[in-house]
Amino acid sequence: KAGVTQTPRYLIKTRGQQVTLSCSPISGHRSVSWYQQTPGQGLQFLFEYFSETQRNKGNFPGRFSGRQFSNSRSEMNVSTLELGDSALYLCASSQDRVVEKLFFGSGTQLSVL
Amino acid sequence: TQLLEQSPQFLSIQEGENLTVYCNSSSVFSSLQWYRQEPGEGPVLLVTVVTGGEVKKLKRLTFQFGDARKDSSLHITAAQPGDTGLYLCAGRTGTASKLTFGTGTRLQVTL
Repeated sequence: KAGVTQTPRYLIKTRGQQVTLSCSPISGHRSVSWYQQTPGQGLQFLFEYFSETQRNKGNFPGRFSGRQFSNSRSEMNVSTLELGDSALYLCASSQDRVVEKLFFGSGTQLSVL
Repeated sequence: TQLLEQSPQFLSIQEGENLTVYCNSSSVFSSLQWYRQEPGEGPVLLVTVVTGGEVKKLKRLTFQFGDARKDSSLHITAAQPGDTGLYLCAGRTGTASKLTFGTGTRLQVTL
């Protein structure tokens, strides 16, 4: 069974640009969560989708958005990139409606110059 | 804001030594999980504890959930180089789909 796949693996952008990250969950998993990981702040929750609906959202500005498609694949978008957005963006999928067991992808390392 | 403080932040030990990592909060959690993350990879779930006072063992790793469900500990016996990584605790409140992650403990085990 394939794991959670995130693309691209690495990304370099400049300030002011926008970026879209993709996540394919494990087959059969309907919940997808996104987290931002930085050395200073650790892992912080961005948002979670279940069956194409956003169920929970973290404390991030509106520049961060996401969506989930009918096949459970998810994308997150960051507009007007800032230097502080440089981070490892992790996607995790779960089979359960309660999101008890998370399976993480390897992440997308975003560098904003 | 719920915070999970882990201590120590860094730990460098030799193979064969024992160690304990702590995860503390002022908030009560319905469940608490421990993850290990290796460089270039996402976190991997090690265990979930849900009952106050619960103790779970995974080979040389022992996990305990505090009686008040506000804290947890991870004890590793006879550490091995393969235990090297970033250890993260994560708590959940109620049935919320959001996990609050701890600050992390970076463990290095050398020969």
